[in-house]
Amino acid sequence: SAVISQKPSRDICQRGTSLTIQCQVDSQVTMMFWYRQQPGQSLTLIATANQGSEATYESGFVIDKFPISRPNLTFSTLTVSNMSPEDSSIYLCSSGDSQETQYFGPGTRLLVL
Amino acid sequence: QKEVEQNSGPLSVPEGAIASLNCTYSDRGSQSFFWYRQYSGKSPELIMFIYSNGDKEDGRFTAQLNKASQYVSLLIRDSQPSDSATYLCAVNGDSSYKLIFGSGTRLLVRP
Repeated sequence: SAVISQKPSRDICQRGTSLTIQCQVDSQVTMMFWYRQQPGQSLTLIATANQGSEATYESGFVIDKFPISRPNLTFSTLTVSNMSPEDSSIYLCSSGDSQETQYFGPGTRLLVL
Repeated sequence: QKEVEQNSGPLSVPEGAIASLNCTYSDRGSQSFFWYRQYSGKSPELIMFIYSNGDKEDGRFTAQLNKASQYVSLLIRDSQPSDSATYLCAVNGDSSYKLIFGSGTRLLVRP
């Protein structure tokens, strides 16, 4: 399975600012995804990060709020823009392999004040 | 709206017992089914996946799938306190590899 790292591991941010989260995979992968896990909740898919094209967003998530980049097959970024306290959450990236299984990074714990 | 349902628990079992975790899903077209374990403060860890009806065993874990009943379960034999965690059921129903997660069942294994 792929080994995934994320930076930063946690951050405390002020309302109205933006934070970019990085996700690095140790091998080339076809699929990369971004999820949000709010306190005490399960995982919600934000978007699929597509290499070389725009990300595919799920209902309720928009590019202006969560811009995503995927410049190559091992790296992606998620930006949380114009943050509010409701954006306080754990943000997780995952990668998918040919067996459709997904492996998760360690997550980024975000607190917005 | 595709849904995956799990009992939130907590499910409490004594050490050495069999823990049975259950999950139902709404989309009959779902093809792939996954169980993840998530310890508090950690990210989800893949335990097992199953594609075909029947049982799949891996060590102390057995996944069971019944597509006719739209039901998937995870059995943990000889439960250990270290198995105490939240278990997430996830389902993939189309070709995009997207996973839909249940809300998770919290398992407590009492020493």
